[in-house]
Amino acid sequence: GAVVSQHPSWVICKSGTSVKIECRSLDFQATTMFWYRQFPKQSLMLMATSNEGSKATYEQGVEKDKFLINHASLTLSTLTVTSAHPEDSSFYICSARAGLAMRYEQYFGPGTRLTVT
Amino acid sequence: AQKVTQAQTEISVVEKEDVTLDCVYETRDTTYYLFWYKQPPSGELVFLIRRNSFDEQNEISGRYSWNFQKSTSSFNFTITASQVVDSAVYFCALSGTDSNYQLIWGAGTKLIIKP
Repeated sequence: GAVVSQHPSWVICKSGTSVKIECRSLDFQATTMFWYRQFPKQSLMLMATSNEGSKATYEQGVEKDKFLINHASLTLSTLTVTSAHPEDSSFYICSARAGLAMRYEQYFGPGTRLTVT
Repeated sequence: AQKVTQAQTEISVVEKEDVTLDCVYETRDTTYYLFWYKQPPSGELVFLIRRNSFDEQNEISGRYSWNFQKSTSSFNFTITASQVVDSAVYFCALSGTDSNYQLIWGAGTKLIIKP
């Protein structure tokens, strides 16, 4: 089956530093990738949609200068949390959407737990 | 606007009991997809089922079954003879065929199976 990986699976960083999270589709090409944030005991919140080779589309209320998304290839998207603060601590999940041949299915990464101290 | 409602925040049952998780959706699309995902404590989402709007047949997979009723805009999930390993948060989600097939998520239902 289709596999999506995320790296790192968890990260602890100091306030003010930047953190990069990678999302890779390992065995299929994904023209579209989604980034979600999930706070404890809450549902997934879509942060942004990224299409390969173009700028990401951010959901209302998500700061594009703080959460930098790059989708440089059909198998890799990155989310960089710039100048992280404790309130950015959350579980970040990416998903990769396959093409028509795979019925546009979305496949989810295992998530990255970010803790900002 | 699209919306998914999971009214049950938390359900607790004793092992071997049957349990049904409710999901009600709203959409104006004629073609749409409904999903259920399981999220165990590890956090990794586990895909359970995808159903398109033209297929109202009920689905059974082992102890899991799904009841899709367009007339009531519901897509309920039943676990028969529940087991402790079924303890998790379960999410119902909806997508249309535009907006990159973006998923609209319910709030989730936390299921606790007591031994």
